[in-house]
Amino acid sequence: GAVVSQHPSWVICKSGTSVKIECRSLDFQATTMFWYRQFPKQSLMLMATSNEGSKATYEQGVEKDKFLINHASLTLSTLTVTSAHPEDSSFYICSAPPTDTQYFGPGTRLTVL
Amino acid sequence: DAKTTQPTSMDCAEGRAANLPCNHSTISGNEYVYWYRQIHSQGPQYIIHGLKNNETNEMASLIITEDRKSSTLILPHATLRDTAVYYCIVYSGGGADGLTFGKGTHLIIQP
Repeated sequence: GAVVSQHPSWVICKSGTSVKIECRSLDFQATTMFWYRQFPKQSLMLMATSNEGSKATYEQGVEKDKFLINHASLTLSTLTVTSAHPEDSSFYICSAPPTDTQYFGPGTRLTVL
Repeated sequence: DAKTTQPTSMDCAEGRAANLPCNHSTISGNEYVYWYRQIHSQGPQYIIHGLKNNETNEMASLIITEDRKSSTLILPHATLRDTAVYYCIVYSGGGADGLTFGKGTHLIIQP
C-alpha cells in the first residue's frame, strides 16, 4: 500500500504556543489530504480537507483560524495548531488517497500543558 | 452520523477465524464497503474494500450480501497482533471526501 508519514510522532508544548504537524505522501502525489482528530476512547473525526494550491475546507465546528492548514506541494500538508490549549490535546492523523483508497499516517500525539 | 452498525466488541481465540459483521442497510449503489483497523495509538490501516463481489487479499476476506445491506470481514487465522478496533465504512470513493468513522468493533484475540 501507499505510505503516508507524519512528523513529529508526539509533541508536548506549553499552553499558548503553536505547534506544526507535517503529513507527507512518500511514494505518490496527493492533491488532497485529510486531517482527523481522535480523543481518547473515541473514534476519528474529520477536521478538514487539505487541497494543494487552494484553501482548505473545514468541517462544521472546526475553527479555521485555530487549525491552519497549508498544502504547499503535492506531497506535503501541514497542520498548525495555533495558541494551543489543554483541550487541544489529542491524536491528530492525516490521510491521503493515491487512488480511491485512503491511506493514513501513523498519527501525532499532541499534549498541551 | 456513521452509516454502519457494528458490534462494540468481540473475542476470538488465537488461530481461529475472526468474523466481524457490519450492517449498512442504507448503502447507496455507488458506495463501496471499506474496512480499516486501528491498533492502539497508531493510524488506521487499510484492510480491504469491495462493491458487491466478495473480495480476498493477503490480510482478509470480505463477504458482501447480495442485497449489499451487510457484510462480514473474515480474518482466517487470527493472531494476537490482530487485536485492534475494526472499522467498517461505506464510501463512494474517488478520494475527494474524508471518511466517516463509526465506533467500530474492538476485536480481542485471546491466547
